[in-house]
Amino acid sequence: NAGVTQTPKFRILKIGQSMTLQCTQDMNHNYMYWYRQDPGMGLKLIYYSVGAGITDKGEVPNGYNVSRSTTEDFPLRLELAAPSQTSVYFCASSAQSGANVLTFGAGSRLTVL
Amino acid sequence: DAKTTQPTSMDCAEGRAANLPCNHSTISGNEYVYWYRQIHSQGPQYIIHGLKNNETNEMASLIITEDRKSSTLILPHATLRDTAVYYCIVGAGGTSYGKLTFGQGTILTVHP
Repeated sequence: NAGVTQTPKFRILKIGQSMTLQCTQDMNHNYMYWYRQDPGMGLKLIYYSVGAGITDKGEVPNGYNVSRSTTEDFPLRLELAAPSQTSVYFCASSAQSGANVLTFGAGSRLTVL
Repeated sequence: DAKTTQPTSMDCAEGRAANLPCNHSTISGNEYVYWYRQIHSQGPQYIIHGLKNNETNEMASLIITEDRKSSTLILPHATLRDTAVYYCIVGAGGTSYGKLTFGQGTILTVHP
């Protein structure tokens, strides 16, 4: 059981480049999330999704876009990379019912130079 | 969602119990208390959660005060591998869409 899988693990981008961070889960969870974590800080919610075709903004959505075409996949797109987007990105998922117990991926470390 | 207050750091000797406190004085009646930990920049790992009653699982115990304004996570026999940042979070279950807010957490260092 793979859980939540993120790719790539590491990436260096130049300012203005674009890229997509991939996230897939095999637990049939309806809810999926993207967080970012800056050095020494807690996690901040970027976007979340409550099911295929439904997404909404979190605390820090500017500069990012998401889509949710399937239950399994929730990619995060950076259109015009900026140094302020240098961070570690975590994808997570949770089941719909009961308490919100999140399962996290291992993270994607992004550096924008 | 209610905010939490945790000590910035704590130490614990290996083999001893680690007791991590958390204050959440503005918690609402439908909000759970969750604990996660993050080991050296890995993805956060769920530990335990509770609503009103004390809870225990294979990793830890969660003690929630009767007024629900504070809680304590107990690692009964801490090991070096328990060195991590521990996050106490309060949030609703079900349709809250997982808007769990992670603060700074408590850095727990377990030493030999």
